[in-house]
Amino acid sequence: KAGVTQTPRYLIKTRGQQVTLSCSPISGHRSVSWYQQTPGQGLQFLFEYFSETQRNKGNFPGRFSGRQFSNSRSEMNVSTLELGDSALYLCASSFTLVGGGNEQFFGPGTRLTVL
Amino acid sequence: KNQVEQSPQSLIILEGKNCTLQCNYTVSPFSNLRWYKQDTGRGPVSLTIMTFSENTKSNGRYTATLDADTKQSSLHITASQLSDSASYICVVSARDSNYQLIWGAGTKLIIKP
Repeated sequence: KAGVTQTPRYLIKTRGQQVTLSCSPISGHRSVSWYQQTPGQGLQFLFEYFSETQRNKGNFPGRFSGRQFSNSRSEMNVSTLELGDSALYLCASSFTLVGGGNEQFFGPGTRLTVL
Repeated sequence: KNQVEQSPQSLIILEGKNCTLQCNYTVSPFSNLRWYKQDTGRGPVSLTIMTFSENTKSNGRYTATLDADTKQSSLHITASQLSDSASYICVVSARDSNYQLIWGAGTKLIIKP
């Protein structure tokens, strides 16, 4: 099975612009989660989508949004970029574990630099 | 408040040596605990997942232990290799309606030749 793919891998934007990142999950996985990781920091949860619906949401401002399509592919959008948005954005697709919870598989990430 | 704390923040050891990384959590109700390995600039890769009833789990040279009573876990790496240089992240899943994942900040491990 192909792994999780994210595009683009690298992106440079300027303050005030907006950006859209894409994630294609592993075939058959219906859940997609997004994370932000800044240098030296742990992963910060952005949101999770399941069957085209946002199921969970982290504590990020409304400038961060996402969506999921019927084929489970997901996009996240960041509007009015700020310097602090420079980070590695990771996408994870998952399936449900027996007994509850899920097993996550991560993509390679999109490195966003805001100048 | 649900929290996961890892220690040490960073660790440097010589190739071939063993090391143990620690994870303490205050997550309730508990569902499972995972250890991930993350190479610099890449996505995390799962090493082990342990449920409440599991005390130890191995994946090659990696052995994770879980003490659900004291809410502690450790990851032991045997005969370290240069490729083990990475961040190791402890993640605890809460048994709530969304099986929320609580991420630790990670331990940065550097293996020196």
